[in-house]
Amino acid sequence: DTGVSQNPRHKITKRGQNVTFRCDPISEHNRLYWYRQTLGQGPEFLTYFQNEAQLEKSRLLSDRFSAERPKGSFSTLEIQRTEQGDSAMYLCASSPWGGNQPQHFGDGTRLSIL
Amino acid sequence: GDSVTQMEGPVTLSEEAFLTINCTYTATGYPSLFWYVQYPGEGLQLLLKATKADDKGSNKGFEATYRKETTSFHLEKGSVQVSDSAVYFCALSGTSGTYKYIFGTGTRLKVLA
Repeated sequence: DTGVSQNPRHKITKRGQNVTFRCDPISEHNRLYWYRQTLGQGPEFLTYFQNEAQLEKSRLLSDRFSAERPKGSFSTLEIQRTEQGDSAMYLCASSPWGGNQPQHFGDGTRLSIL
Repeated sequence: GDSVTQMEGPVTLSEEAFLTINCTYTATGYPSLFWYVQYPGEGLQLLLKATKADDKGSNKGFEATYRKETTSFHLEKGSVQVSDSAVYFCALSGTSGTYKYIFGTGTRLKVLA
């Protein structure tokens, strides 16, 4: 169990640029989640994958956001035309199949928009 | 919709003091309940969980009991240490087919030596 890995740890970019984050879940975990956490708040759900299928997206996920999980392994979250309000910590979590299994979280990617 | 409410922080305690962090929830159906801890610069770590009413989760001296009648899942520890200083998050899951988490806003705990 090597844990959930997220890259990069920090991303600083100018407003209007596109950014992409990567998440490598624990191997054989077929559930993968993305959350966003702003300062002083709890994480908020963004989207969920079961294997390669994206089964749920939050209303928070505007059309500038897109997530993929090709082949049901790693996942990417892309934000196009970044805005100041996108500054946050983006967390990835994974869990095995079967009932309500606890999610294992990565250390997150902190996005700062200049 | 479903929601989780945690007591406001920060909570500041002296070492060896008793800790309670309140958590109440609103949910349709019968969720599972979790406490996660986030140490500075680190990701969320599962502290304990309970999957049905009257279950008690426990780990590292922390305990929480799933109280359906009061829709609560309060976190307790009998004697805190400086190393317990962190942010604690209460969460529920299982009211949707995706098992996504709904988190509270977190409670920062600071333990003084």
